[in-house]
Amino acid sequence: NAGVTQTPKFQVLKTGQSMTLQCAQDMNHEYMSWYRQDPGMGLRLIHYSVGAGITDQGEVPNGYNVSRSTTEDFPLRLLSAAPSQTSVYFCASSYPGTGGIDGYTFGSGTRLTVV
Amino acid sequence: GQQLNQSPQSMFIQEGEDVSMNCTSSSIFNTWLWYKQDPGEGPVLLIALYKAGELTSNGRLTAQFGITRKDSFLNISASIPSDVGIYFCAGQALGFQGGSEKLVFGKGMKLTVNP
Repeated sequence: NAGVTQTPKFQVLKTGQSMTLQCAQDMNHEYMSWYRQDPGMGLRLIHYSVGAGITDQGEVPNGYNVSRSTTEDFPLRLLSAAPSQTSVYFCASSYPGTGGIDGYTFGSGTRLTVV
Repeated sequence: GQQLNQSPQSMFIQEGEDVSMNCTSSSIFNTWLWYKQDPGEGPVLLIALYKAGELTSNGRLTAQFGITRKDSFLNISASIPSDVGIYFCAGQALGFQGGSEKLVFGKGMKLTVNP
């Protein structure tokens, strides 16, 4: 049971480039979400999904797109990378609902640097 | 949106000392969770609390769900070097239609343990 898998673990982008951060879970979790973690800012919610075909914006959605075509996958797309998007990105999932019985299961993160 | 005030923001302690941290909210939560994030990894659930007044232990960790449902604390006794990391509190409220709302996270407490 792999849990929540994020790829890549590290990425360097040039300003203006686009890329997709991958997140996959094998726990049949309904709820998936993306956070960014910056020093002193804690975890900030970017986008979330309560099930396949349903997505919604979180606290800091600008510059990011998501889709949820399957229960297992929830990719995060950076449309045109900016230095302000340099951060550590975490994917999290839970079942049932938005918190589940045991909270969220997090992936190990993607460390993104935009130069 | 809802916010959690987590304090202190950081602590530097000697190995063997106890450490306490807490979270407060202006809103009522029906679930409190405590996570630990090891350097370079995603947060991992330590303790979950589901009832006001509940006191739960997990090894050297003890956490309590405040009577007012607006606060929670976490104690770590006899700290060891592997306790180093960032500790997050998280709260979850009941939704308008009875479902669970998304988790709200504190900004984290960075713990350093000197051997």
